[in-house]
Amino acid sequence: NAGVTQTPKFQVLKTGQSMTLQCAQDMNHEYMSWYRQDPGMGLRLIHYSVGAGITDQGEVPNGYNVSRSTTEDFPLRLLSAAPSQTSVYFCASSPPANAHEQYFGPGTRLTVT
Amino acid sequence: EDKVVQSPLSLVVHEGDTVTLNCSYEVTNFRSLLWYKQEKKAPTFLFMLTSSGIEKKSGRLSSILDKKELFSILNITATQTGDSAIYLCAVESANDMRFGAGTRLTVKP
Repeated sequence: NAGVTQTPKFQVLKTGQSMTLQCAQDMNHEYMSWYRQDPGMGLRLIHYSVGAGITDQGEVPNGYNVSRSTTEDFPLRLLSAAPSQTSVYFCASSPPANAHEQYFGPGTRLTVT
Repeated sequence: EDKVVQSPLSLVVHEGDTVTLNCSYEVTNFRSLLWYKQEKKAPTFLFMLTSSGIEKKSGRLSSILDKKELFSILNITATQTGDSAIYLCAVESANDMRFGAGTRLTVKP
């Protein structure tokens, strides 16, 4: 199993550009989520999904969209990037039997100039 | 508003020392409290706590939850340089997972 994979590892965007951060898992996990991590602020939940076709907002959803068309994939879209979205983004997944035990991807470091 | 506060923010100890990391929280509809270790990249899961007073233990690490006083502690005994990391506390509620800012632990040889 590859676990949770994220692409790209690094990305630089200009203000106003859009892009999609990819997240995939091959563990048949129902629960997937996106976090951003900023210095001194820990991880903050952006969006999450409890299964294909179901998504919901977390603590900081503004400026981000998600979709969950398959169990494996959970992409995060930035519609119009802003410097405030400069951060490290982590995707995580967890199995239905133990939804609390999240497996994190390696992260994507995004810089918006 | 839900919040999770960890203390101290950073800690420097020497190998062999014992450390205690703190996590206090205020959330509605509490479900569980989780501890993660974050080294260079992604956090890795350590413990999940749901009941007060029941210690979870894994090797030199242990953790306990107090749901009355709304806090948890993570103990690490006989610290090693490999314990150097950021330790994250997270609290799960009905519709959210809220993380603390983390405690950066540095263990010097």
